[in-house]
Amino acid sequence: GAGVSQSPSNKVTEKGKDVELRCDPISGHTALYWYRQSLGQGLEFLIYFQGNSAPDKSGLPSDRFSAERTGGSVSTLTIQRTQQEDSAVYLCASSLARVNTEAFFGQGTRLTVV
Amino acid sequence: KNEVEQSPQNLTAQEGEFITINCSYSVGISALHWLQQHPGGGIVSLFMLSSGKKKHGRLIATINIQEKHSSLHITASHPRDSAVYICAGQTQGGSEKLVFGKGTKLTVNP
Repeated sequence: GAGVSQSPSNKVTEKGKDVELRCDPISGHTALYWYRQSLGQGLEFLIYFQGNSAPDKSGLPSDRFSAERTGGSVSTLTIQRTQQEDSAVYLCASSLARVNTEAFFGQGTRLTVV
Repeated sequence: KNEVEQSPQNLTAQEGEFITINCSYSVGISALHWLQQHPGGGIVSLFMLSSGKKKHGRLIATINIQEKHSSLHITASHPRDSAVYICAGQTQGGSEKLVFGKGTKLTVNP
C-alpha cells in the first residue's frame, strides 16, 4: 500500500497474555519508529529502527516489551505478560531517512488489556 | 532534557476565525513537526520545519530558531479543521526521535 499499515487495528487481550503488533512501513523507508499514546500521557517514544537494527531502545518501558524488524521492512512489537497499564494506542511511523524528513504515521493499534 | 511545550491546550473558535497555536522547544531540537489527529483517526503530518515558513492551503507554519518557537496558523477556519494539533520536536543526533507536546484540541463551531 501507499501508507504505513498497522495490524490489528484493535486488540483486546486478557491480563498476562502476550500480544504482537505489526507495522508495515512505506516501501523504501529505512527509519521506523514505534510510539505509544496513552490516555493522560500523550505520545511517547518506544524504539527506533534503522534498517534491521535498533540503535535506540531507550523508550521501551520494561523488559516485557521487545521489537524486531526483518528485511528492513516489517516490524513487530511484542508485549509479554500484558498488564492493564499497557492499554494504549501503539503507533508506528516511518521516514525516508533519519534526519529532518517527514514522518508518516500508521493508523495505530488500540490495545486494551482487561 | 528535550522538551516541547504548546499552547493553548484547548481552543474554541467560530467558523472563519484566524487561529494560532504556539509551540516552544528546548535546546537539542533540530526540526519541528506539526501533526493533526482527528478523533478516532490516525496522525497526519502537516509540516516539518527547520527554518522559515511553510504554507499549505489555509495552513501556515513558522519557526524562529533563535527564540526556539514555532506557530501554526489556520486562516478562515472551518468546522472540518476541528482536531487535535500536536507539535513535535525532532531530537538532534542519535535516533532523531520525536518528542511531543501535549496537543491542542481545536473546535471550530459553524
